[in-house]
Amino acid sequence: EVQLVESGGGLVQPGRSLRLSCAASGFGFDAYAMHWVRQAPGKGLEWVSGIFWNGISTGYAASLKGRFTISRDNAKNSLFLQMNSLRPEDTALYFCAKDRYAEYSSSSAFDLWGQGTMVTVSS
Amino acid sequence: QSVLTQPPSVSGAPGQRVTISCTGSSSNIGAGYDVHWYQQLPGTAPKLLIYANNNRPSGVPDRFSGSKSGPSASLAITGLQAADEGDYYCQSHDSSLGDSEFGGGTKLTVL
Repeated sequence: EVQLVESGGGLVQPGRSLRLSCAASGFGFDAYAMHWVRQAPGKGLEWVSGIFWNGISTGYAASLKGRFTISRDNAKNSLFLQMNSLRPEDTALYFCAKDRYAEYSSSSAFDLWGQGTMVTVSS
Repeated sequence: QSVLTQPPSVSGAPGQRVTISCTGSSSNIGAGYDVHWYQQLPGTAPKLLIYANNNRPSGVPDRFSGSKSGPSASLAITGLQAADEGDYYCQSHDSSLGDSEFGGGTKLTVL
């Protein structure tokens, strides 16, 4: 079955770190760029980060100010998001999403989504 | 506040046609960047509905269509069904921000 399954979310205190994972199956994971997209409770979608098929190039939303790091392990069909210095405004459902192409670009569209993992930042 | 503006809500009766607009500027849609559309049904993950302005992924009914003109894009849904109720988002690249941007979303209600 073609799917993406996120994990690693939870309740974390402000200033702490969390690492999200996304397990891909049913398609050639190493042939596609991948992304993280988040959705705050009751709010819209926000692109967070993207990574090329080979991990060589990465991109981030300007609002993150360098706190997050995306990475991937093609041998394990896995995508990761390391989140540091977490803030209450980072509270959201984090989706893993597959790009239609190998390299994310200005034409990137996300044609496969996971169900998301919830991150709550609160003291 | 998103750089892509969508109406907060639209509604229509079963069988009718509705359109959802997505208005951008010269740094995104108006610059020629592709527009994509997503459907998010209640309690589910988003699903790609239209890519590159007017292309449907395999499995998406032809009741859904997209168009683009100048700094704006539109999603049209014909033969409205109760199962279409949910939120719809447009997405495009913004050169000023240097990243991918989503519209604020439009809630579709089938009366």
